[in-house]
Amino acid sequence: DAKTTQPPSMDCAEGRAANLPCNHSTISGNEYVYWYRQIHSQGPQYIIHGLKNNETNEMASLIITEDRKSSTLILPHATLRDTAVYYCIVRSTGTASKLTFGTGTRLQVTL
Amino acid sequence: GAVVSQHPSWVICKSGTSVKIECRSLDFQATTMFWYRQFPKQSLMLMATSNEGSKATYEQGVEKDKFLINHASLTLSTLTVTSAHPEDSSFYICSASGTSGVMTYNEQFFGPGTRLTVL
Repeated sequence: DAKTTQPPSMDCAEGRAANLPCNHSTISGNEYVYWYRQIHSQGPQYIIHGLKNNETNEMASLIITEDRKSSTLILPHATLRDTAVYYCIVRSTGTASKLTFGTGTRLQVTL
Repeated sequence: GAVVSQHPSWVICKSGTSVKIECRSLDFQATTMFWYRQFPKQSLMLMATSNEGSKATYEQGVEKDKFLINHASLTLSTLTVTSAHPEDSSFYICSASGTSGVMTYNEQFFGPGTRLTVL
């Protein structure tokens, strides 16, 4: 699976949009971009995934560049409960496909 | 989304004993389950992948005789840490993917984790 690069940490004011970048320049054609987050001492939570089109759900939006070498996860109105480590992962589809976790981005939402 | 539970949420045991951790998919059939380990301030490391009714596939460096994985049904997988030692103290997390009716969940849904402390 392709590797990803994320900034180690980011801050965001509560109520503002949080934009979390991810570089995946070696992504291959059949690989999806997945985002998970892990709140302290809990299991990771699935957020969103996409192949090449932008995606939106009740939690977030995912913007993937046209060349698919990078993406941005957007939390439109961050709250204190969004403070977590966010992982961008590239993987092929299929129920048996593995997830390889990197170091992620630690997002701190502040008042 | 789909729900995955783990039991127990935490366990303390003496060195040399065995500990079993259960992972259940509550509202879908987990055709594939994964077991991860996470040490403090580190990321998740995949230990093994198991498909229902088959032997687990272990990642390089993970001892299959020490970490016994059973995935006997579509809703239950167990991880047994045999002859546990203090260095096995960690946060163990399972995840699952599978189907529910006509829907296929390719994304993995994670359990809340089990914190193991070996004295």
